[in-house]
Amino acid sequence: AQSVTQLGSHVSVSEGALVLLRCNYSSSVPPYLFWYVQYPNQGLQLLLKYTTGATLVKGINGFEAEFKKSETSFHLTKPSAHMSDAAEYFCAVTGAGGTSYGKLTFGQGTILTVHP
Amino acid sequence: DSGVTQTPKHLITATGQRVTLRCSPRSGDLSVYWYQQSLDQGLQFLIQYYNGEERAKGNILERFSAQQFPDLHSELNLSSLELGDSALYFCASSVAPPGSGANVLTFGAGSRLTVL
Repeated sequence: AQSVTQLGSHVSVSEGALVLLRCNYSSSVPPYLFWYVQYPNQGLQLLLKYTTGATLVKGINGFEAEFKKSETSFHLTKPSAHMSDAAEYFCAVTGAGGTSYGKLTFGQGTILTVHP
Repeated sequence: DSGVTQTPKHLITATGQRVTLRCSPRSGDLSVYWYQQSLDQGLQFLIQYYNGEERAKGNILERFSAQQFPDLHSELNLSSLELGDSALYFCASSVAPPGSGANVLTFGAGSRLTVL
């Protein structure tokens, strides 16, 4: 079984500041990890994913995330926030095995607000 | 446009009624997933189909049912509706079958159901 905890339901940053959205996971099998973004009145869009290999993963719109197995974390970062980054961000996990493939378990989401 | 089409976008109905939500997956995708997004439960996996066959079930109520047709579109049927069924229902699709690796799910824009 898998679970995801996103620390902080709301994060507020100034434009140009570092964005850090925290995600911790629990998985009984090697995890595949994802970050999705949801803009108002839209579906979820994939930002980046970790499967195997390099633990630092780069995604779209300047976002990246680092898989840290020892900390069971997959935090999302962006060096400089832009107004267009304001959205809700979801961390998700699926397990590398069995019928859990593709069946994403999502965190509760973090709403990112960017101030001018 | 993600390529996953969901209809209707909005639906308002009364308690006790039955509704059908429709999803057309992205061209070439064989897997369809249904998720429910509500304020109190977050994003919850409901059910998964691959090439017409049910592959996994999540937190789907007995009042809900789904199917995937030979042309790969899917329908989610919700019956005996209750106030608590008000939510955003997402369909997602992927090209890979369960068990083949880290599926990337492509989400539709969702169907917002309001039960009065």
